Amino acid sequence: GAGVSQSPRYKVAKRGQDVALRCDPISGHVSLFWYQQALGQGPEFLTYFQNEAQLDKSGLPSDRFFAERPEGSVSTLKIQRTQQEDSAVYLCASSYEELPGNTIYFGEGSWLTVV
Amino acid sequence: AQTVTQSQPEMSVQEAETVTLSCTYDTSENNYYLFWYKQPPSRQMILVIRQEAYKQQNATENRFSVNFQKAAKSFSLKISDSQLGDTAMYFCAFMKQMNAGNMLTFGGGTRLMVKP
Repeated sequence: GAGVSQSPRYKVAKRGQDVALRCDPISGHVSLFWYQQALGQGPEFLTYFQNEAQLDKSGLPSDRFFAERPEGSVSTLKIQRTQQEDSAVYLCASSYEELPGNTIYFGEGSWLTVV
Repeated sequence: AQTVTQSQPEMSVQEAETVTLSCTYDTSENNYYLFWYKQPPSRQMILVIRQEAYKQQNATENRFSVNFQKAAKSFSLKISDSQLGDTAMYFCAFMKQMNAGNMLTFGGGTRLMVKP
């Protein structure tokens, strides 16, 4: 596709509900990142994939957060038993290679509100 | 760990004027990359400009330029001839050279409003 595509764009979840956020990176992009952006703050790193391998998940805030990219293209970020503090915009980004300084392209994010 | 600080939560400028957004960072790395991203209400992060730390020359992209002071760990963004479309959140970001995964560390952002 032309850019990084994320769905759903908006999600309202009841506390305790499980949610799944999808990211479709730019075709051929090897690297894929998830970031969490709380209201009024800068994005914070969650996890990184190189193809299907999850090489860094140090930013995942708890074991309720799980990400996968089984075929090295589309990725899903799953949040179990959502809590109010999970309310944020979840940004997905991809880049062609892992070369230092390679341009990273961002999607428009999935807005999650937990009520 | 790297930290990025943007000390100006909000800035405003008159259309056609020049504005400078500040950014400082802390790192023990010698080679790294610095970025300014623009985030309009759509929330998509748009790359404005990037700077490689090993380059002494300041990067420029049309109306956007940076003042990179490596010793002071400062990386400010200057927007010349401000336009209404420049109204957005601006984030400074740091990327260290890594073998796997070029993670960005973002500052807290500066909200820029361009007034007609």
